[in-house]
Amino acid sequence: EDKVVQSPLSLVVHEGDTVTLNCSYEVTNFRSLLWYKQEKKAPTFLFMLTSSGIEKKSGRLSSILDKKELFSILNITATQTGDSAIYLCAVFEYNFNKFYFGSGTKLNVKP
Amino acid sequence: DAGVIQSPRHEVTEMGQEVTLRCKPISGHNSLFWYRQTMMRGLELLIYFNNNVPIDDSGMPEDRFSAKMPNASFSTLKIQPSEPRDSAVYFCASSVLGQGPGQPQHFGDGTRLSIL
Repeated sequence: EDKVVQSPLSLVVHEGDTVTLNCSYEVTNFRSLLWYKQEKKAPTFLFMLTSSGIEKKSGRLSSILDKKELFSILNITATQTGDSAIYLCAVFEYNFNKFYFGSGTKLNVKP
Repeated sequence: DAGVIQSPRHEVTEMGQEVTLRCKPISGHNSLFWYRQTMMRGLELLIYFNNNVPIDDSGMPEDRFSAKMPNASFSTLKIQPSEPRDSAVYFCASSVLGQGPGQPQHFGDGTRLSIL
């Protein structure tokens, strides 16, 4: 059965810390991996990764994919309280055109 | 640029009542997804449509749930009769699916449903 597993489930850090969120997957017919940030409402798109070893970067956030080991990481440097959210990882498979979501990592950044 | 629009934003009703959730996808998107999110189970895919046709409804909990997409700009998710365990946030998302790596889904703000 296709699945996506995220770790840790929750994380508490202080402003300025660097965090690494993990996403591993077992999905047949992998096409892409996506990261979302969910604050109070809807998940908002962060990154889409399709190739191994190519880092995607946006400000203090970066992400990379390893298709051989079947995982991705999301790094946040110099965390701020505004980074507090649930971070969701999703994998898109091309046979049924389905997105499989992980259960998310709840990040709490304290002042 | 309008995003995915869901209504109502909140719904509180008594068990046994019929509930209808509505969604307008982003214009030009060919796929629409209904999700349910709870603390216990996270984000679960209920059903998705491609070009207005239901492709996978394996996530629909039981016969009490039904979804329709009569045209490219409107979809409904109906629960009849509703039960307290249906309480959750229901999200609608739309995307463009084709031959590529999969375009990101764009989510609506969700409907927070409470069944008393």
